Amino acid sequence: EVQVVESGGNLVQPGRSLRLSCETSGFSFDIYAMHWVRQVPGKGLEWVSGISWNSESIGYAASVKGRFTISRDNAKNSLYLQMNSLRPEDTALYYCACDCAGDFWGQGTLVTVSS
Amino acid sequence: DIQLTQSPSSLSASVGDRVTITCRASQGIRNDLAWYQQKPGAAPKRLIYATNSLQSEVPSRFSGSGSGTEFTLTISSLQPEDFATYYCLQHNSYPLTFGGGTKVEIK
Repeated sequence: EVQVVESGGNLVQPGRSLRLSCETSGFSFDIYAMHWVRQVPGKGLEWVSGISWNSESIGYAASVKGRFTISRDNAKNSLYLQMNSLRPEDTALYYCACDCAGDFWGQGTLVTVSS
Repeated sequence: DIQLTQSPSSLSASVGDRVTITCRASQGIRNDLAWYQQKPGAAPKRLIYATNSLQSEVPSRFSGSGSGTEFTLTISSLQPEDFATYYCLQHNSYPLTFGGGTKVEIK
C-alpha cells in the first residue's frame, strides 16, 4: 500500500522558520522526482518546489526562491522543505506529491504564518 | 516563466452534458501538460498526463488533446461525481505552473 504522509505544519510567526517532512512507503521513492504543492484554503493550486530523483535538478516558484530549500533522503524515502523567513502569504496547506505513474499525493500539512 | 491561462474559471452544466475546458500556455510546452481533478477536502487527482494519456482507473469519458500552447480537457458525458474543480499543470520546465482552475457546478 502506498503511503505519503506530510508533517511539520504549524502556526508560526512571520520571519520564523519551519521544516516540513514527507515520509513515503509502498513505491520506489528513489527513482522519482518529488514536488511540494501548496493551496490556500478555498483557492487554487500553487507549485512550490521540485527535486529530481538524485537531487541534481531542483526548481522553485519565484514566490519562495531564496527562502525555501527542498531536499530528500532516498535512504529514508523522505522529502523535506526547509522554509525560512516565512510570510503571511505562505499560509497554506502543503502537499507532497510524487512525479510518477501512480500520481501519489499526501493529505497535506497546514502551515499558518501569523503574529 | 511559463504562464497557463485556463478557461472558463467556472461553468454550470447538467448531467450528461459534454464539457470542455481549455488551457493556454504562454509558450510552447510540447505535450508536457497534465490535468487534475480536485474535490473539496481532498488532494488533487491526476486524470490525464502527457496531454492525452489517461491515468490508470480514470473513466474513459475524460480525454485530453492539444499540443504546443493550446490544450483541452473534455468530459464527454458529465456524471454526478464529476462536479469538482479542474486544473492544468505544465511540467515542461521549472518553475512548474498550474492553471487557475475551473469549477464545474451543477446547473
